[in-house]
This record gives sequence, C-alpha cells and structure tokens, in this order.
Amino acid sequence: QKEVEQNSGPLSVPEGAIASLNCTYSDRGSQSFFWYRQYSGKSPELIMFIYSNGDKEDGRFTAQLNKASQYVSLLIRDSQPSDSATYLCAVNPPTASKLTFGTGTRLQVTL
Amino acid sequence: NAGVMQNPRHLVRRRGQEARLRCSPMKGHSHVYWYRQLPEEGLKFMVYLQKENIIDESGMPKERFSAEFPKEGPSILRIQQVVRGDSAAYFCASSPGQGPYPQHFGDGTRLSIL
Repeated sequence: QKEVEQNSGPLSVPEGAIASLNCTYSDRGSQSFFWYRQYSGKSPELIMFIYSNGDKEDGRFTAQLNKASQYVSLLIRDSQPSDSATYLCAVNPPTASKLTFGTGTRLQVTL
Repeated sequence: NAGVMQNPRHLVRRRGQEARLRCSPMKGHSHVYWYRQLPEEGLKFMVYLQKENIIDESGMPKERFSAEFPKEGPSILRIQQVVRGDSAAYFCASSPGQGPYPQHFGDGTRLSIL
C-alpha cells in the first residue's frame, strides 16, 4: 500500500463547476496535510494546509480532513481554466518533518 | 525576492562529472529540504538540514550524493560521478522550524546528464 494515494486522473470538469480532488494516507499517526499545485515544468506551489478534522476554506479552495477515515480532499469552487494543473497531496509522517507526496491528480478545466 | 532561491535553473553534465545544486531558503527560514522529481513520477524526499546539521537523510542514495548547509551561504546538494539516472528536477523547500510547518518550494534545478 502506498503511503499517500491519489487518483492520477485526468479529472475533467467544466468551467464554473466544483472540482473535487481526493487523497488517502496509510499512516494513522500523520498530523499535517498539504495541497500543492504544480503546473507542467514548474515547481509545487502551496495551496492549502490542514491540521484538524473538518473543513478549512480559503477563497475558492476548501480542504477537508477526516482522520478516522484517513482521507483528505480539496474542493475547488468555480473552477477556471487557469486551475488546470497537477494537484499534489502531501503528508507529514509522525515524528518527521519531511513530506510524503502522492503522485498527483491532473485536473483539466474545460471551456 | 524573499522566496526560496535555487541555482542554477538548468544544469547539464556529462556522465562521470560532478553536479552542485544550491539553495538559499526563504527569508526567516532556517530549515531546508531537498526533493527529487523523476520524469512522470512524484516528488521524493531526499534530505532535511538545518544550519550545520543533517537532521534526516533517510531519502538520500547511499553513494555519490551528499548535502550540506553551512553556517554561512546556501545549502548544497552534491552529486558525484553522475549517471543518466540522475537526470531529474531537484527541488529545495524551506520552513521556519521543525515540525508541521508548510514548506515553500524554489523553482528547482533541472539536471540533464549527457
């Protein structure tokens, strides 16, 4: 079982729709969860981070965490073509500062 | 520019040469992480350093790779006797402390081995 799993996609959504990106992790002791956006050929850009169960909203982005189910998601409301990118889920293992990344979900927002 | 600075952006080496990648953390950050992204693969942790200390090198290949973060100057990732399989994007990230702080990434160094 991979430590952090994401569906590779592509996930295709029409402009203006809600994009829902999902991630599961294997280590139940993980404490911190991050979403990064990576455009092709570019570096990862931090979008959201969440530490507690529940929802955290920032503009069009909402991160959701369910530690009991070992599940974290990212919702993007009013999706725009500029949101088309690969979204990386990252997790801090317990007692470590390094990040373990999923392989990413490619999002395509269509006109 | 107060962001994470990496140089060079692109580096070409022939097999057997040495590659040196540099990283200056974001202003106010003293913790540096190196990650490698192979083509069509995810980001993999390599090493975590503070000034003058290697904190976690669990992701570093056992041979040819080394890293340092001296008291003065940038962090250096050094790859000796490069091979074709070392071709990848190498990203540096920084954070203000140890623990669950968000890490901010530099633009990366694209290493190509001829």
